[in-house]
Amino acid sequence: ETGVTQSPTHLIKTRGQQVTLRCSSQSGHNTVSWYQQALGQGPQFIFQYYREEENGRGNFPPRFSGLQFPNYSSELNVNALELDDSALYLCASSPSGEVAETQYFGPGTRLLVL
Amino acid sequence: AQSVSQHNHHVILSEAASLELGCNYSYGGTVNLFWYVQYPGQHLQLLLKYFSGDPLVKGIKGFEAEFIKSKFSFNLRKPSVQWSDTAEYFCAVKAYNNNDMRFGAGTRLTVKP
Repeated sequence: ETGVTQSPTHLIKTRGQQVTLRCSSQSGHNTVSWYQQALGQGPQFIFQYYREEENGRGNFPPRFSGLQFPNYSSELNVNALELDDSALYLCASSPSGEVAETQYFGPGTRLLVL
Repeated sequence: AQSVSQHNHHVILSEAASLELGCNYSYGGTVNLFWYVQYPGQHLQLLLKYFSGDPLVKGIKGFEAEFIKSKFSFNLRKPSVQWSDTAEYFCAVKAYNNNDMRFGAGTRLTVKP
């Protein structure tokens, strides 16, 4: 069974640019959640996708957007990058959209904005 | 919206010592509670979770946590830690009616051999 994978592992961008991060969910999982983890902090919920539809969103501005594809893989897009967007971005998948489902995390993409 | 506080930033213990990591949350409604662990160089993984029933929850590797609703707490315990328990531990809470999972800032546990 393949776990959650994310690409790229590291990325450096400059302020104002746009970035796309990718996530492949664990086999059999149809729900993907994205989190931002700043240094020394816990993960912060960005949004969740369930069967290709957004299924909940945290307190992030609209320049953070996402997609989920028919194979349940997902993308996180961030436009107009700001210095504070520098963080580890985590993707987690789960077997369904139920609230108490265990989430399985990927290794993350570390983004540095200069 | 719910929030989570983990009071200990860094805990250092010797092997065989008992562990208790504090977690308090603020939310008045029904919640689901989680402890996640991140071992050095590894992904975040679930240690245990509470969603209903017995407030004393047992997880992997001998960990347990007790949900005390009146205290809004979900403390993590282990009677005797091992060097391999060295990791970062995150408490998380989800309100029953939404998917916004809130994490605490984490507690780094160092177990000295």
